[in-house]
Amino acid sequence: DAKTTQPPSMDCAEGRAANLPCNHSTISGNEYVYWYRQIHSQGPQYIIHGLKNNETNEMASLIITEDRKSSTLILPHATLRDTAVYYCIVRPYTSGTYKYIFGTGTRLKVLA
Amino acid sequence: DGGITQSPKYLFRKEGQNVTLSCEQNLNHDAMYWYRQDPGQGLRLIYYSQIVNDFQKGDIAEGYSVSREKKESFPLTVTSAQKNPTAFYLCASSIVQASGANVLTFGAGSRLTVL
Repeated sequence: DAKTTQPPSMDCAEGRAANLPCNHSTISGNEYVYWYRQIHSQGPQYIIHGLKNNETNEMASLIITEDRKSSTLILPHATLRDTAVYYCIVRPYTSGTYKYIFGTGTRLKVLA
Repeated sequence: DGGITQSPKYLFRKEGQNVTLSCEQNLNHDAMYWYRQDPGQGLRLIYYSQIVNDFQKGDIAEGYSVSREKKESFPLTVTSAQKNPTAFYLCASSIVQASGANVLTFGAGSRLTVL
């Protein structure tokens, strides 16, 4: 599975867009990019995923570069409740294994 | 509502005792997972199971055991062989979507403290 690199922490002002980067320079053509977040002492929550195209849902937008070597998760109007650890994961969409590996993520702090 | 139920939420154990953490899902998901999380750290994979009666070791399986006798259930036993069992344990399940994507759904977690 491709490895990901994320900054360990970021701050964002409440109401502003939070842009969380993820580097996955060794990603393969059959690997999806997934984003999850974990609010303190809770189970992680799925946010969004994508393969090649940019994606948007009610929670966030995912921008994947054309070469797919990096991506950015965008929370358009961050609130205090968005303070959490955000995990970027890449894994194949067809695989003989369901192994699913998390890194250490980015700790986002939304400031009032 | 469909989801994953982990129990107990908090558990205290004396050294040398085995303890079993329960994980039940009613999502009809095929795959289930156990992760361990230490303070300030990411999630580390202990065991995972793709189908009933089959499971594979993750990155930190030593000192743990699992069973998958039913699709809905994937209990984790923390044995006395696990040297540092105090941690937050998370269970998850997933199903492969038509697109090929594989999204995880997590339980609320079980916090184990060894006294």
